[in-house]
Amino acid sequence: GENVEQHPSTLSVQEGDSAVIKCTYSDSASNYFPWYKQELGKRPQLIIDIRSNVGEKKDQRIAVTLNKTAKHFSLHITETQPEDSAVYFCAASSGYSTLTFGKGTMLLVSP
Amino acid sequence: SAVISQKPSRDICQRGTSLTIQCQVDSQVTMMFWYRQQPGQSLTLIATANQGSEATYESGFVIDKFPISRPNLTFSTLTVSNMSPEDSSIYLCSVGGTGGYAEAFFGQGTRLTVV
Repeated sequence: GENVEQHPSTLSVQEGDSAVIKCTYSDSASNYFPWYKQELGKRPQLIIDIRSNVGEKKDQRIAVTLNKTAKHFSLHITETQPEDSAVYFCAASSGYSTLTFGKGTMLLVSP
Repeated sequence: SAVISQKPSRDICQRGTSLTIQCQVDSQVTMMFWYRQQPGQSLTLIATANQGSEATYESGFVIDKFPISRPNLTFSTLTVSNMSPEDSSIYLCSVGGTGGYAEAFFGQGTRLTVV
């Protein structure tokens, strides 16, 4: 089955800096890669996703890149703000199959 | 995306008892799932709730411990049976999107503490 590795497990940045979270996956058939943000005590929220037919997708301050050859994808957050502090999960799936999640990255943005 | 209502939001239960968690969606959805999130951990899929047939369980999860119902396309329940302190966790239902991919949108979760 699919295996998703996520790094780093914790990431501390200063407000205004950029943050990058990286994930690798094992199943070459995977074609859908979402990212979730989970604030303390709240549900995971889908913040951005990418399909295998594109290499990059942007939505304001967040972007995701995908390298299918190397089987890795990354989340980029620019101009970080304290409200970006949360746990971020990457995930992968193929077609209609279920999602496999990474272990999560706790992002702390200091004012 | 669909509006997902999950209840109860939290409960404290005695060991050996059972708790049923409900998940209601405001529109018909094909795919519904149940996840467990242990404290400080990632999300682990328990099972896929299939409408009109038995749920599909992931490795390590069995129907006797986590019976699931899916009577229609908007509702599902997960029961945590014969609970022990190790079952203390957050249980989340999720529904798939309509984009043809395995999108997942989550309910607010049920925080279960077993004493």
